[in-house]
Formats: sequence, C-alpha cells, structure tokens
Amino acid sequence: DAGVIQSPRHEVTEMGQEVTLRCKPISGHNSLFWYRQTMMRGLELLIYFNNNVPIDDSGMPEDRFSAKMPNASFSTLKIQPSEPRDSAVYFCASSRTGNREQYFGPGTRLTVT
Amino acid sequence: QQQVKQSPQSLIVQKGGISIINCAYENTALDYFPWYQQFPGKGPALLIAIRPDVSEKKEGRFTISFNKSAKQFSLHIMDSQPGDSATYFCAASIEAGTALIFGKGTTLSVSS
Repeated sequence: DAGVIQSPRHEVTEMGQEVTLRCKPISGHNSLFWYRQTMMRGLELLIYFNNNVPIDDSGMPEDRFSAKMPNASFSTLKIQPSEPRDSAVYFCASSRTGNREQYFGPGTRLTVT
Repeated sequence: QQQVKQSPQSLIVQKGGISIINCAYENTALDYFPWYQQFPGKGPALLIAIRPDVSEKKEGRFTISFNKSAKQFSLHIMDSQPGDSATYFCAASIEAGTALIFGKGTTLSVSS
C-alpha cells in the first residue's frame, strides 16, 4: 500500500507569493493532520480533519494559512502571502478512525526568500 | 499542561551500548505514548507505542518503560547500532482521532 503522499517535496518561493502544499492520505484513513517542523519549535500541529471536517485549527499561525479537505483522498494547505518565517518542513499524517497510529508523509520543505 | 518534555537533546552512544531517552508529561488525560524515529530528509516513522495500563513494552531492541505515578516514560535502545543514528521524538495524545503532542526530539549518534 502507498503511504501518505505529499507534493511538492521541495518548494522555493519569494516572499508574498502564494504556496499550496498537497497531501493524499492513506486509503481508508479518516483522520488527516498537518504538522510543521522547525528547529526552534520542533513538530507542531497546524490543523487536523476527521472525516473531511476540520476539528482543530488552533495551531494555524494566522489568517495567511488555510487548509481544506474537499474529499477523503486529498487535502491542501495554502499560505498566502508567504513570508520568510514560514520556511519549514510541512508534514501531513493520517490515521484510521479509532486507531492511534499516525503515519507521516515525507514532508514538503518550504523555503521562502 | 499540554507539553511533553524530552531529554537529552542529543546523545552519543558507542556501538553495542544502551541508548536511553526520557520524556515527562503533566496532563493525566494523556493516554497514548508513541515514539517516532526520523532520519534526515524523511518523515517521522512510528517506532513503538504504549498505553498507561502497562509499565513496559518491548519490540526487538526497543523498549518503552512507563511510570504512571511519575508521569514519565522512556525509550531504551539495546545493543545500539550505527543504523539507529536518527532523531527520536516522544509524543502523546488524549484520544483516537486527535493530534499528537511531540517532545522536542533527541538526536542520537551511535559511533562504530
């Protein structure tokens, strides 16, 4: 079975540009999580969905960040406008309903110059 | 109250030695404690996990020890190998379908 798929793997953009990160969870998994990893703050939750519905977005830094899950097999995380402090590795993870195990994708390394 | 505190930040162990990483938590509602292993350029991968109803869980060379009264848990890597060199994260969650709270990570280097 394919694991969590994320695209792009690397993204370099200029400050002020819109960035869209994509995630395909493992088939059959009903929970999807977006995490951000930085040296300073470690791994922190941005937002998560259960059955395509956003449950907790308290980790989203500010209004520049938005996330959607239009169906069970696709989610996006959008940053508009992007800023240099958004540079980080963004991970998507998924889990099966009622199961604690979360499986992470390979991440998207975002660099905003 | 939602924090998970992890130590040490970095660890150097000789091949064949025992690596020990410790974590502590405050929120007694947390009831699932996994450890993740991350290699450079990769996503975290679930290594082993424990629930508070057991004090120890072993999978191969990896063992979690759990002390509910002290609100602490630790990862022991027996017979550490150079291939174990990675960053290890402890984590915790309250219930299924909720997010994980991660420790800051421990970078383990196993020297040959």
